[in-house]
Amino acid sequence: NAGVTQTPKFRVLKTGQSMTLLCAQDMNHEYMYWYRQDPGMGLRLIHYSVGEGTTAKGEVPDGYNVSRLKKQNFLLGLESAAPSQTSVYFCASSYLPGLNGYTFGSGTRLTVV
Amino acid sequence: GENVEQHPSTLSVQEGDSAVIKCTYSDSASNYFPWYKQELGKGPQLIIDIRSNVGEKKDQRIAVTLNKTAKHFSLHITETQPEDSAVYFCAASKQASGTYKYIFGTGTRLKVLA
Repeated sequence: NAGVTQTPKFRVLKTGQSMTLLCAQDMNHEYMYWYRQDPGMGLRLIHYSVGEGTTAKGEVPDGYNVSRLKKQNFLLGLESAAPSQTSVYFCASSYLPGLNGYTFGSGTRLTVV
Repeated sequence: GENVEQHPSTLSVQEGDSAVIKCTYSDSASNYFPWYKQELGKGPQLIIDIRSNVGEKKDQRIAVTLNKTAKHFSLHITETQPEDSAVYFCAASKQASGTYKYIFGTGTRLKVLA
């Protein structure tokens, strides 16, 4: 049982390049989330999904897109990377977010130069 | 807007002493309060949580207390050990837009000195 798996773990991008971060969970969770973590700012919600085929904007969605074509996968895309998107990105999933919390992946450290 | 304030930002304690981390939330509709522990290079891990209909919850050396009137909740770690050293995050949440949206605090770096 792998839980929540994020790939890649590290990436360096040049400004303007694009990339996709993959999140996969094997717990049959309905709810999935993408957060970014920056020093002194805690975790901020980028986008989330309440089920297969659904996506919604979170607190800081600008510059990002997401897709949830399969229940187990949640993809985060950066179409044109900017230095302000340098961060650590965490994916999380949950069965009952109001009862038993989130399960987080181990993160992707992204640097945009 | 909704926010969660967490204090202190750093905390150093001697091994065996207790540690207390406090969070204050702004949205009185929040009704679920999880705490996460994040070790270096890893994702946050849920360590304890509490719902608004409960005032206190304990799990071995860890406890959480909630004061709904004052809108604050606290994490208590007793008999601290070096492996408790990590960053701890609190969160406040309520049901919105088909899910529970979490507002996280900014984290407390706990150092347990041997």
